[in-house]
Amino acid sequence: GQNIDQPTEMTATEGAIVQINCTYQTSGFNGLFWYQQHAGEAPTFLSYNVLDGLEEKGRFSSFLSRSKGYSYLLLKELQMKDSASYLCVGGNFNKFYFGSGTKLNVKP
Amino acid sequence: GAVVSQHPSWVICKSGTSVKIECRSLDFQATTMFWYRQFPKQSLMLMATSNEGSKATYEQGVEKDKFLINHASLTLSTLTVTSAHPEDSSFYICSARDPGQGIYEQYFGPGTRLTVT
Repeated sequence: GQNIDQPTEMTATEGAIVQINCTYQTSGFNGLFWYQQHAGEAPTFLSYNVLDGLEEKGRFSSFLSRSKGYSYLLLKELQMKDSASYLCVGGNFNKFYFGSGTKLNVKP
Repeated sequence: GAVVSQHPSWVICKSGTSVKIECRSLDFQATTMFWYRQFPKQSLMLMATSNEGSKATYEQGVEKDKFLINHASLTLSTLTVTSAHPEDSSFYICSARDPGQGIYEQYFGPGTRLTVT
């Protein structure tokens, strides 16, 4: 199957660092993606990993371990506008499979 | 680049009527578009994959006669919700893959909020 698990909700403080974990069980993914979704809006692309290791993109970094079925999204220097849901998405050429999302609350 | 638009942004319709939602890739040609549905506080669920010039591929549990998908050109796919019922009220989002940007990445439209009364 394509079970993708991530925590339901997290809270962090402005300026801090937060790591959102994602585990998955599938043999059909070619890539692991992270999207940000604000309430009532469509998801926006943040980062993706095709190979094992860390991909850094400004304040956002994503890590993948295919052998462990594990990924995380790291957000640095948190800002209030980072309060949103973060979606872990497994994908191949034909389909995306979405996790249930982690709602991140950033407090002052 | 890689902008996807949807129209309308929101629509209210009466039970039993049909509603058409358009998804357009504005600055690239999309041979494949995807239609998702999202209920409140839930994640996106893939409904169907729309391929230009051929029939859409529907996910298990999605009624193809109720959710009609037409991908008539490389920049336009439409989703028609036929004989809508209140339980069809949801946030419908399309996405498209831009072959020029990478074969895996999908770009999402802004979504269409459908309310059936």
